[in-house]
Amino acid sequence: AQSVTQPDIHITVSEGASLELRCNYSYGATPYLFWYVQSPGQGLQLLLKYFSGDTLVQGIKGFEAEFKRSQSSFNLRKPSVHWSDAAEYFCAVGASTNDYKLSFGAGTTVTVRA
Amino acid sequence: DVKVTQSSRYLVKRTGEKVFLECVQDMDHENMFWYRQDPGLGLRLIYFSYDVKMKEKGDIPEGYSVSREKKERFSLILESASTNQTSMYLCAISYRTSSGLFFGSGTQLSVL
Repeated sequence: AQSVTQPDIHITVSEGASLELRCNYSYGATPYLFWYVQSPGQGLQLLLKYFSGDTLVQGIKGFEAEFKRSQSSFNLRKPSVHWSDAAEYFCAVGASTNDYKLSFGAGTTVTVRA
Repeated sequence: DVKVTQSSRYLVKRTGEKVFLECVQDMDHENMFWYRQDPGLGLRLIYFSYDVKMKEKGDIPEGYSVSREKKERFSLILESASTNQTSMYLCAISYRTSSGLFFGSGTQLSVL
């Protein structure tokens, strides 16, 4: 079964600074990988996804993520953070056997200071 | 736009009550899921369904059951609510694994 680890529970970043959120997965084959964002009181919104091709993927809201097979990682980045990026971020992995289920990490809460 | 509607945003119930959480989708997707979200634990899969009248257990099915009588509706049932079922419950749909999941806004359930 697949699993995900998000090592950072909470990150504080200044507005305008860069942001990187870490995600490590465990799965025997090439996984499907996703990043979701959850603003306070809201459901989860898909930021970006990877399942094949270019290992650097672009998403919405100016986010990007890079798949590194050798490190079993799928880290999320944003060059310049805006106050509206304060939220909780979840990394998720799905099996390429296409059983539709996703396994989620525990989440990283991002605080943006002025 | 994908629309996944959960019937209640906030719900307060008493211990021992039978609780129904409803989820309705407008995308004609076969696959529907119920997750619960708890601080520090992320999202954990309770049950999912690939088709009408079909259900499969997820990682934490104990204390829950589900019903899917129509394709667009997937219900989560707490037969006898307990305080440890106080949580945020999220319904999701999926077309295929590579498309990811589309979530409803969630139901924050408090069991007193």
